[in-house]
Amino acid sequence: NAGVTQTPKFRVLKTGQSMTLLCAQDMNHEYMYWYRQDPGMGLRLIHYSVGEGTTAKGEVPDGYNVSRLKKQNFLLGLESAAPSQTSVYFCASRVRGAGGNTEAFFGQGTRLTVV
Amino acid sequence: GEDVEQSLFLSVREGDSSVINCTYTDSSSTYLYWYKQEPGAGLQLLTYIFSNMDMKQDQRLTVLLNKKDKHLSLRIADTQTGDSAIYFCAESKSGNTPLVFGKGTRLSVIA
Repeated sequence: NAGVTQTPKFRVLKTGQSMTLLCAQDMNHEYMYWYRQDPGMGLRLIHYSVGEGTTAKGEVPDGYNVSRLKKQNFLLGLESAAPSQTSVYFCASRVRGAGGNTEAFFGQGTRLTVV
Repeated sequence: GEDVEQSLFLSVREGDSSVINCTYTDSSSTYLYWYKQEPGAGLQLLTYIFSNMDMKQDQRLTVLLNKKDKHLSLRIADTQTGDSAIYFCAESKSGNTPLVFGKGTRLSVIA
């Protein structure tokens, strides 16, 4: 049981390049999230999904796109990378709660540098 | 809007108690969480508290919630060097809404 797996773990991009970050979870969770973590800023929500085929914007969605074609995968795309997108990206997943609390499980993060 | 505030740094001596504080603004927050992040790793859930509780204890961890003041604290008893990490406070309105995180408190434990 791998939990939440992010690939790649590290990447260096040139300004203007594109890339896709993959998040895969094997817990059959309905909800998946992409956050970015920057020094002194904590975690900020980029986009999230409440189920296969659905996505929604979070706090800082500009410059990113997402897709949830399969329940277990949540992809984060950067169409034209900018230095401001240098960050550590975390994916998380959570089972749909039936009125009670459910824990969010996090991946190990992807460290992205845009030069 | 939603906002979660924490102090950025805390330093304690090994064996002492650590108290990490958090304030939040959304009175409809239902669940409040403490996550731990060790260097180079993802976040791990330490504990959570439901808004109708005022205290929760789990081994060395004690969570206190003052709903009137929207203040949450995490006390770590007998702090060890292995407790050195960043601690994030987070809140959500329900078990289904995204978590909103504070900026994190970096705890340094001095031997």
